[in-house]
Amino acid sequence: QKEVEQNSGPLSVPEGAIASLNCTYSDRGSQSFFWYRQYSGKSPELIMFIYSNGDKEDGRFTAQLNKASQYVSLLIRDSQPSDSATYLCAVFTSGGSYIPTFGRGTSLIVHP
Amino acid sequence: DTAVSQTPKYLVTQMGNDKSIKCEQNLGHDTMYWYKQDSKKFLKIMFSYNNKELIINETVPNRFSPKSPDKAHLNLHINSLELGDSAVYFCASSPGTGANTEAFFGQGTRLTVV
Repeated sequence: QKEVEQNSGPLSVPEGAIASLNCTYSDRGSQSFFWYRQYSGKSPELIMFIYSNGDKEDGRFTAQLNKASQYVSLLIRDSQPSDSATYLCAVFTSGGSYIPTFGRGTSLIVHP
Repeated sequence: DTAVSQTPKYLVTQMGNDKSIKCEQNLGHDTMYWYKQDSKKFLKIMFSYNNKELIINETVPNRFSPKSPDKAHLNLHINSLELGDSAVYFCASSPGTGANTEAFFGQGTRLTVV
């Protein structure tokens, strides 16, 4: 069974710090990796995706992928209280139909 | 303009009833999904529908059935509702089946079975 694992948290960081969110996946054939943010009572919204090994930066967000270790992370620099949300890692599995499989999410709390 | 819309937003019903949740997307996407999110925030895929190909998560009870009258709609029918069906159900769509396609989510339907 294809699995995506995340630490449920909560991860608590002070405002202005770097928040580091981690995700591991079991299917070596996985091809692309997405980070979604979900505020309480709202629907998930895409932050960024990555499909090549290495880092990908978008504003305060950096996604890091290591396919050999089956590990993907999201760094949030200069964390703001508005970043407080649940962060969901999603993995597109291989095999014809690309169905995003989600992890359980990590709750992030940024305190002033 | 809402890209992926679900109705109703809230649904409270008694055990044993049959209910439907509607989903429509105006993005011209080819693929639509239904996810169930439990109280612990776990988003679990229920169905994926692409070009008349339905992929079912085998753990989903057959009381749940998707209906797609056209490419822009994927409705969810639930028969004989049970207490454990209480959750938030999300409809989503994506442009295609490529590996880099983003899934766009509807606002969710909170189903409460009493």
